[in-house]
Amino acid sequence: QVQLVESGGGVVQPGGSLRLSCAASGFTFSSYGMHWVRQAPGKGLEWVAFIRYDGSNKYYADSVKGRFTISRDNSKNTLYLQMNSLRAEDTAVYYCAKDMLWFGDWGQGTLVTVSS
Amino acid sequence: EIVMTQSPATLSVSPGERATLSCRASQSVSSNLAWYQQKPGQAPRLLIYGASTRATGIPARFSGSGSGTEFTLTISSLQSEDFAVYYCQQYNNWPPTFGGGTKVEIK
Repeated sequence: QVQLVESGGGVVQPGGSLRLSCAASGFTFSSYGMHWVRQAPGKGLEWVAFIRYDGSNKYYADSVKGRFTISRDNSKNTLYLQMNSLRAEDTAVYYCAKDMLWFGDWGQGTLVTVSS
Repeated sequence: EIVMTQSPATLSVSPGERATLSCRASQSVSSNLAWYQQKPGQAPRLLIYGASTRATGIPARFSGSGSGTEFTLTISSLQSEDFAVYYCQQYNNWPPTFGGGTKVEIK
């Protein structure tokens, strides 16, 4: 079955950087686009970024454009999110999700807290 | 971007009763709409895609309807495990956008 496991979350100061990973298994990772979606504490869901199956195209929410970079390593079945210039408003649980046009499978999430 | 509006924000329902959740899009999304269920401390779970197709393993008491700008998720007879927050999401236009959610709570 599909399994997505995020890691790399933690506490970081404003202006700092963090890299999230999402290890995928149970499906042919290199055949699917992948998303990052986040959820601030007590709030709703916000799409963050998308990468095509081969990494050829990447798309970002306006709120993270220029600060976050999505990437993937199909040889390692792993998705990444490099987050720079972090702000307090980036505090959230970050989920990776498999693209089916909709979000078909989700990881359990990793918490990122931006605080001094 | 397309704005998704869900109503009501909170729905109080007794177990065994029917729940009807609404989702409205700011412009037509055809039938390119999904519904998710989220319980506290858990990731969202896909319930419905294509506005009305149940995802694998989703019980028949969950049904979706609508097209264009107006959509409905119906839970025919609420079970204890159905009390959760429900989100709609459109994937007709880029970027994908979610509604603000409807919390279904025990009455």
